Amino acid sequence: EVHLVQSGAEVKKPGESLKISCQGSGYRFNSYWIGWVRQMPGKGLEWMGIIYPGDYDTRYSPSFQGQVTISVDKSINTAYLQWSSLKASDTAMYYCARREVGYCSGGACYAQYWGQGTLVTVSS
Amino acid sequence: SYEMTQPPSVSVSPGQTARITCSGDPLPKQYAYWYQQKPGQAPVLVIYKDTERPPGIPERFSGSSSGTTVTLTISGVQAEDEADYYCQSADSSDAWVFGGGTKLTVL
Repeated sequence: EVHLVQSGAEVKKPGESLKISCQGSGYRFNSYWIGWVRQMPGKGLEWMGIIYPGDYDTRYSPSFQGQVTISVDKSINTAYLQWSSLKASDTAMYYCARREVGYCSGGACYAQYWGQGTLVTVSS
Repeated sequence: SYEMTQPPSVSVSPGQTARITCSGDPLPKQYAYWYQQKPGQAPVLVIYKDTERPPGIPERFSGSSSGTTVTLTISGVQAEDEADYYCQSADSSDAWVFGGGTKLTVL
């Protein structure tokens, strides 16, 4: 059975750094893209970026390019989302999600499996 | 990137049919997907590739596509269907795009 388990809630101060994680199990981790999605309080879903563990290919939404870093450690089947200097506006729930195998043009650009979410609160 | 437009809210009585639309210029060329999100929970995929239903999703959920608009239809709405619904597609560089979400209220 496929599972994505995310790290626990974080409370940080503006300017601090943070790295949250998403560990996959029950499937061949290297063969599926892992994406990150932000949901600010009371707001909708926003796609941040995605990484392919097999070759570390990483894509970012223009809205998040330069603001976060997506990485992966294949040895422990874990993807990461990190910030070097948090802002109050980074306060949100962050979800990881596994993209299906195949091309987007063939209808594979979606996620059937999601992590439980990691709540990040940034406050002075 | 482009925008996907959904109505902010839809209300129906139990047993009626709810239709949630999503419009975006690339939709004739790109597939659409629908997620259900209940408060405090992660999104759940309810429709993929415009019309396909994942295992475990009730038959009352269906999807359709016409031109630049896709529609999620919930037939015989139940109280448990009250949730936020998001459409999603991809742009030409495979970046995901979400609609703004529609709050379904079961009266």
